[in-house]
This record gives sequence, C-alpha cells and structure tokens, in this order.
Amino acid sequence: GAGVSQSPRYKVAKRGQDVALRCDPISGHVSLFWYQQALGQGPEFLTYFQNEAQLDKSGLPSDRFFAERPEGSVSTLKIQRTQQEDSAVYLCASSLVVSGGGNTQYFGPGTRLTVL
Amino acid sequence: GQQVMQIPQYQHVQEGEDFTTYCNSSTTLSNIQWYKQRPGGHPVFLIQLVKSGEVKKQKRLTFQFGEAKKNSSLHITATQTTDVGTYFCAVPYNNNDMRFGAGTRLTVKP
Repeated sequence: GAGVSQSPRYKVAKRGQDVALRCDPISGHVSLFWYQQALGQGPEFLTYFQNEAQLDKSGLPSDRFFAERPEGSVSTLKIQRTQQEDSAVYLCASSLVVSGGGNTQYFGPGTRLTVL
Repeated sequence: GQQVMQIPQYQHVQEGEDFTTYCNSSTTLSNIQWYKQRPGGHPVFLIQLVKSGEVKKQKRLTFQFGEAKKNSSLHITATQTTDVGTYFCAVPYNNNDMRFGAGTRLTVKP
C-alpha cells in the first residue's frame, strides 16, 4: 500500500515568507508526528497528533510554527515569517496505534526547506 | 535536546570490518527502537527491543538491550557498502512520542 507522502519535496522561501508543508499519513494511522531534521542531526520532535487532537506541541520552536490535522488524516505544518534558522528537512511520520511511544513510525520522504 | 546519547558520531570502516553503535540513557527505558537513514533518504524502522537483556538478529545485524534497560547496541558483522547510512536509536517520551539520538553515520570503503 501507499506510504506516507509529503509535499512539496523541496521548498525555497525568502526570509519573512510563510510556508505550508503537507503530510498524507498512511490510511488508518491514528498517530501523526512532525520532526525537524537539521543537517547531520537526528530528527527533533516538533508535535504529535492523535487523530485530530494535538496532544503534544512542546517541540515547536516558536509561535511562528503551527500544525493542524482537522479531520484526523492529512496534516499541515505552517511556518510564519520564516527565518534562516528554519532551514531543515521536515519529516512527517505516522503510526497505527494510539500510543506513539514504542510503536513503529513510518516516515515520509520529508520536505527540504531552504530559507534565503 | 536529545534524551539519549549515541556514540560514536561517525564511523568509517573498510568493507568486511565490523561496526557497532551504542545508545545510552540516564533513565530506564520501556523499549528502544533502531532506525536506519540512507543518505538523502528518510528514517526506516529496523527493530524494537522491549525485554531486559534482549538480543535480536537480522542477518548481519545484532541488536542488544542492556540488562538495566538503559543502553542498547547495534552491531553489524562484515559490513557491506549497502550498510552505509546513519543509524538512529529512538526512545519513548511522555508515552506519546519518541526522541531520537543524534545518530551514528557509517561510511564503508569498498
């Protein structure tokens, strides 16, 4: 079956622009995660959804970052007034079961954001 | 920041040599997962360890979970060029999500 998909795969933004990154999880997966991965680093947790509920957003670096999953499937990560330090790969992952901890996460290909 | 320490950060080996990466936590873990990320790719789940002292094998890969459930290792026997990539451990956090280590980047010289 289809895996996790993300769009766009690459995004170049001018500093100050707003961007929206989309994630289509595996159908039926309850849990959805967003991570930020800087070059040479491990994925850093941003936020977690269980269905449409955002249960943990402690990893969002500032109030410029906003994520939503209104119908419990597709999710959008929005970054307002982008800064150069926002440049990274943004990974989305989904998991079948309710509790994300300790369950296999399936990652999408990521969106590489470059802020000029 | 990361909840778990992973060492070494980099490892360069000759093809056929063995490779080991270690993951260490200051707290007892309920489980630990290992992922592999190929250059330019995304993390792919390899395995999950749950039991104290657990050892699991996948062909040339051997995964161990420490007796105290605070550390884990991934050992690759006789590396091949297809093993190239970054290996991450991931541990549960707040019962909802996972925290990833910084990863060990493996390069293999043919």
